[in-house]
Amino acid sequence: SQQGEEDPQALSIQEGENATMNCSYKTSINNLQWYRQNSGRGLVHLILIRSNEREKHSGRLRVTLDTSKKSSSLLITASRAADTASYFCASRLTGTASKLTFGTGTRLQVTL
Amino acid sequence: NAGVTQTPKFRVLKTGQSMTLLCAQDMNHEYMYWYRQDPGMGLRLIHYSVGEGTTAKGEVPDGYNVSRLKKQNFLLGLESAAPSQTSVYFCASSFGTSGFFYNEQFFGPGTRLTVL
Repeated sequence: SQQGEEDPQALSIQEGENATMNCSYKTSINNLQWYRQNSGRGLVHLILIRSNEREKHSGRLRVTLDTSKKSSSLLITASRAADTASYFCASRLTGTASKLTFGTGTRLQVTL
Repeated sequence: NAGVTQTPKFRVLKTGQSMTLLCAQDMNHEYMYWYRQDPGMGLRLIHYSVGEGTTAKGEVPDGYNVSRLKKQNFLLGLESAAPSQTSVYFCASSFGTSGFFYNEQFFGPGTRLTVL
């Protein structure tokens, strides 16, 4: 199974609401990253959290990491229609030379 | 800067044909990667390179070969295409693991390949 499993697989919310998506992983990590993919495009890096960090913010994004539960969450506050995309977590496993293992993604739909 | 570019954008092959996908980056990145993306599977690493002249296998390397003759280019080859290789292929690049960047990856726009 995938190193990164994301939940939910799909999420539909209205503009202005908050969106939360979760990621679980199986083995020890060095860091965990979140990426966004707009339909038909490549992935774009959003935020990185290191294994010794518990929470990180970037604009409307808030990421948490719980290494004891091997899980991370991405919160997008005050969502906009432009946030409609797929979101992937990617973990860098301890001891791997710059390789990332991607989750299966959460498809977020933000409606007006 | 163009970032990471991929050619071609689309391609249709017949079973048994061969082709090469080209990835180029202008960010002087040491590391380059090839992924495939299939519905419901996320991205899976095919091959990667940690520097010019080096390559290594990823999670799903069978049926693919790669070459990194120049630092800025990373080629992915399919010697004998199979329908199971129908996918969207993404190239990515990153700095090394040291320093501030902590291997954030920069992605190209993708190549949509169909094998009939």
